[in-house]
Amino acid sequence: SQTIHQWPATLVQPVGSPLSLECTVEGTSNPNLYWYRQAAGRGLQLLFYSVGIGQISSEVPQNLSASRPQDRQFILSSKKLLLSDSGFYLCAWSRVELFFGEGSRLTVL
Amino acid sequence: SQQGEEDPQALSIQEGENATMNCSYKTSINNLQWYRQNSGRGLVHLILIRSNEREKHSGRLRVTLDTSKKSSSLLITASRAADTASYFCVTDLSSYKLIFGSGTRLLVRP
Repeated sequence: SQTIHQWPATLVQPVGSPLSLECTVEGTSNPNLYWYRQAAGRGLQLLFYSVGIGQISSEVPQNLSASRPQDRQFILSSKKLLLSDSGFYLCAWSRVELFFGEGSRLTVL
Repeated sequence: SQQGEEDPQALSIQEGENATMNCSYKTSINNLQWYRQNSGRGLVHLILIRSNEREKHSGRLRVTLDTSKKSSSLLITASRAADTASYFCVTDLSSYKLIFGSGTRLLVRP
């Protein structure tokens, strides 16, 4: 069966520090991969999606970036975090329906 | 801007009552999906309805789709306290680009 792992689960980072969130999928090959962000009490905003290794589509211009170095690995990064980057970040994979990780809660102070 | 908008934003009902949530979207779709999110957790897929379908059932869930009005509804019958969650509709702008609505927060009072 397929599983998705996302880490870290929570992190508190100072403004201006770098960020790396990692997501891996097991049990499937060539999945479509997604990063979403959710502000408190709000819906999910699509940040990036990838349909293959090295292929990244960015939906929102910002100081975040994504990479897909391996088929089942998706990384969300920032060189310098802003206060507005705080939120709940969710990784997902799909064929048609989305399967989500448990999320990473980021607080930027 | 959001592709999908749910209505109402919040809904409070008594256990045993039915809950209806609506979703409107802007562009043509191939399919529409509904997801549930318990507080602070990841999301769980509930049901998918294709653009050539008008109604679909899964257990206590009933989803309708009206492509002429670009709208969908999710009905939860005989609600339970465990149904308390946020519910989101998701539309596909392309085969890969899946966009969430703003969500409906459902509270089922025991």
